[in-house]
Amino acid sequence: GQQLNQSPQSMFIQEGEDVSMNCTSSSIFNTWLWYKQDPGEGPVLLIALYKAGELTSNGRLTAQFGITRKDSFLNISASIPSDVGIYFCAGRAGGTSYGKLTFGQGTILTVHP
Amino acid sequence: DAGVTQSPTHLIKTRGQQVTLRCSPISGHKSVSWYQQVLGQGPQFIFQYYEKEERGRGNFPDRFSARQFPNYSSELNVNALLLGDSALYLCASSLRDDQPQHFGDGTRLSIL
Repeated sequence: GQQLNQSPQSMFIQEGEDVSMNCTSSSIFNTWLWYKQDPGEGPVLLIALYKAGELTSNGRLTAQFGITRKDSFLNISASIPSDVGIYFCAGRAGGTSYGKLTFGQGTILTVHP
Repeated sequence: DAGVTQSPTHLIKTRGQQVTLRCSPISGHKSVSWYQQVLGQGPQFIFQYYEKEERGRGNFPDRFSARQFPNYSSELNVNALLLGDSALYLCASSLRDDQPQHFGDGTRLSIL
C-alpha cells in the first residue's frame, strides 16, 4: 500500500541535541499528523496540522505543514532519553478519504545519555 | 477517561482459521478506523466506520470485514488466515471524520 516518504529512517543522537525529520508525499494532504510509538504500544498523537504553512508546537516539539501541502517537518529540541521511540508522520486527504490516514515508514530515534 | 481499548492483546491462530478482533472507542467518539502494522512499517489503513456506516476501505482482500455497533464499538473479522496476516492490528477512534485519530495498543496476531 501507499506510504509516505519519511526520512531519516533512523537517528542516533546525544542527549541535549536537536532532532529534525521530514515527510514527503506525491499527493496533497489536508491534514498532517505526527505520532510516536513505543515498543508494545499504539501510536500516540503528538501534533496535528490543518493549514498549509501552519507551525505548531507541543512542548519541545515543533511541526510544520509544508506550503505545497505535500510535506511536513518535525523538530525536537534538547532531546532527552524518553524521546526514544519511533516517530511516524501521517497524512489525510480530503473528500471521501477523511477517515483514512496514510503513514510514513517511521523514524527510529535513539538518544544516548 | 479510558482511551481506545482493544481485545485480545495477543492471539495465535493457524492458517485457514478465522479471527475476530474487538475495539472500544474513546467515549463520545463515533468514528472507528482499523489499521494493520507489519513489523518495521507504518500502519496501513483497512477500514473506517462512522455512525455504523462504512466510510472507507483500504486495499485489503475480501477476507477482511468489519462492522460497528450502536454503541460505536467495532469488530474486525479476518477469514481464511494466511501467514502474511501476522501483524499488529490497531484500532483508532475520533470524534468525527475530520478530527485526529487516537490509537489503542493493538492486537498482536500471530499465524502459525
